[in-house]
Amino acid sequence: QQQVKQSPQSLIVQKGGISIINCAYENTAFDYFPWYQQFPGKGPALLIAIRPDVSEKKEGRFTISFNKSAKQFSLHIMDSQPGDSATYFCAATDNTDKLIFGTGTRLQVFP
Amino acid sequence: KAGVTQTPRYLIKTRGQQVTLSCSPISGHRSVSWYQQTPGQGLQFLFEYFSETQRNKGNFPGRFSGRQFSNSRSEMNVSTLELGDSALYLCASSSRQLHTEAFFGQGTRLTVV
Repeated sequence: QQQVKQSPQSLIVQKGGISIINCAYENTAFDYFPWYQQFPGKGPALLIAIRPDVSEKKEGRFTISFNKSAKQFSLHIMDSQPGDSATYFCAATDNTDKLIFGTGTRLQVFP
Repeated sequence: KAGVTQTPRYLIKTRGQQVTLSCSPISGHRSVSWYQQTPGQGLQFLFEYFSETQRNKGNFPGRFSGRQFSNSRSEMNVSTLELGDSALYLCASSSRQLHTEAFFGQGTRLTVV
């Protein structure tokens, strides 16, 4: 029940395209859903986060869509750029702030 | 503002030895969490310290322990190292206001041979 399932494992997108990464969870106590971006040799960095009281949050080219009833959330990267090539992790947490991470998606954006 | 600093960046240890990793959080942050990252298991929560007290603990054996000092710096210790402990160990600090950003360090790459 503590798991967060993430797909796909890897994603190849052409420059300018839309990258979509999906996550699903079981634990209804989760109330905060951040996405992290990790470049090789670096620690994860917060990209964008959402709480379950909203269905969508947009920051620049990055959008989180959240479906509370389906217990699913997704990250959309619009106008994907080669600089977006990284590994993306969804995560979820409850009031303990202990982050439960998805398995990661390696995104490659080709020019 | 300096980020989260983890030392050392790389370590090679022999099976059966013990190791201590260090983490200096962002100034003013009192919460420090530790995560293990491996290709097979991904990112897994080890434990969290706040004001020198362990607040949360993940599902790792007792060989994994930690502590936090009065200046919020934290150390993680792994005793009786096993080959499977080879991983990137990440430290994250936050202000511990609920659901604020956790800032990660670059990690310590531990290789057990």
